[in-house]
Amino acid sequence: NAGVTQTPKFQVLKTGQSMTLQCAQDMNHEYMSWYRQDPGMGLRLIHYSVGAGITDQGEVPNGYNVSRSTTEDFPLRLLSAAPSQTSVYFCASSGLAGGGNGELFFGEGSRLTVL
Amino acid sequence: SQKIEQNSEALNIQEGKTATLTCNYTNYSPAYLQWYRQDPGRGPVFLLLIRENEKEKRKERLKVTFDTTLKQSLFHITASQPADSATYLCALDEGNNDMRFGAGTRLTVKP
Repeated sequence: NAGVTQTPKFQVLKTGQSMTLQCAQDMNHEYMSWYRQDPGMGLRLIHYSVGAGITDQGEVPNGYNVSRSTTEDFPLRLLSAAPSQTSVYFCASSGLAGGGNGELFFGEGSRLTVL
Repeated sequence: SQKIEQNSEALNIQEGKTATLTCNYTNYSPAYLQWYRQDPGRGPVFLLLIRENEKEKRKERLKVTFDTTLKQSLFHITASQPADSATYLCALDEGNNDMRFGAGTRLTVKP
């Protein structure tokens, strides 16, 4: 059972480039979310989804785009990367529709550097 | 403004002692509060969930308390071991699917 799989693990971008961080889960979870983690700031919620076709913004959504066309996949798109988006990104899923009422399963993270 | 504060960036204790980590929050009314463990270079791993109407939860050597009057959760690891060394994160959700995390406390258990 793979759990939550994130790709790529590492990526270096130039300012202005676009890219997509992939997230897939094989647990049939309805709830999926993206966080970024910066030193001293903890995990900050970017976007989340409570099911296919439904997405919503978290605490820091600007500069990021998401879609949820299937239950399994929740890609995060950076349309025009900026140095401020240098961070470690985590995807998480939960078996309950509400994120807080069930444990979150996290991926191993994607480390992004924007030059 | 809303804040989640974990007592200190780092906590050092001796093996066998009880580690107590604190999570204080301001301007939140959490329906759920969770604790996670994170090892360097890895994703967080769920440890315990406590709901607003619960005072205490236990799991093996772990205990969590939740005081909605003090707006505080305490996380205890009894009989600590060097393998418990990690960063511990608290997270809370007001029931609106928007889970917020504290910055974490790095625990080091020395043999």
